[in-house]
Amino acid sequence: AQKITQTQPGMFVQEKEAVTLDCTYDTSDPSYGLFWYKQPSSGEMIFLIYQGSYDQQNATEGRYSLNFQKARKSANLVISASQLGDSAMYFCAMREGVRGFQKLVFGTGTRLLVSP
Amino acid sequence: GAVVSQHPSWVICKSGTSVKIECRSLDFQATTMFWYRQFPKQSLMLMATSNEGSKATYEQGVEKDKFLINHASLTLSTLTVTSAHPEDSSFYICSARPPGGQPKMEQPQHFGDGTRLSIL
Repeated sequence: AQKITQTQPGMFVQEKEAVTLDCTYDTSDPSYGLFWYKQPSSGEMIFLIYQGSYDQQNATEGRYSLNFQKARKSANLVISASQLGDSAMYFCAMREGVRGFQKLVFGTGTRLLVSP
Repeated sequence: GAVVSQHPSWVICKSGTSVKIECRSLDFQATTMFWYRQFPKQSLMLMATSNEGSKATYEQGVEKDKFLINHASLTLSTLTVTSAHPEDSSFYICSARPPGGQPKMEQPQHFGDGTRLSIL
């Protein structure tokens, strides 16, 4: 069974608008961490934002925020005021188990295209 | 911030050649590093966990004799694709997580820039 599901293969958004990239996860472990990474066409993986399973508040990092709904097991990424440079692949990932056990499982990704 | 360096960025070689890829943590020590493989338009798949001073842990379906991993120091892990064939052509990327972190913010894994391997 998929542990991380990203149902949107591709998303389009106009510059300066907000966009939400969906991510749902599946785990029975009470301790987990959720990460979002951006992968431009050049291939590098850029860390964007983190949400811990025990965090009460949604994570925010500049234009990125994470809409964490624990009961629904979803961790959607919200990008506000999209910029052309945001065009890339976006991956949701989960770390299971205690912190320090670092193995990550990635979703299939969403390709975001920002148009002028 | 934490930097992970990967070398080379591109490799094109003939079938049957062995190829070594290096992954270095430049400003922190990493007892554990991770090697991923990514086919075009697909996600990252973990191949193996590289452990400093001990044997690597391979994921199910990954041939350990095909993909040799050596983690001889706290800042360097190498992946050697032995007797590479065209089906081994892929994007290989490593990661490592700096130690520490805070109660509400665990350290994320930091990735190298990846290696595009093309076997002719």
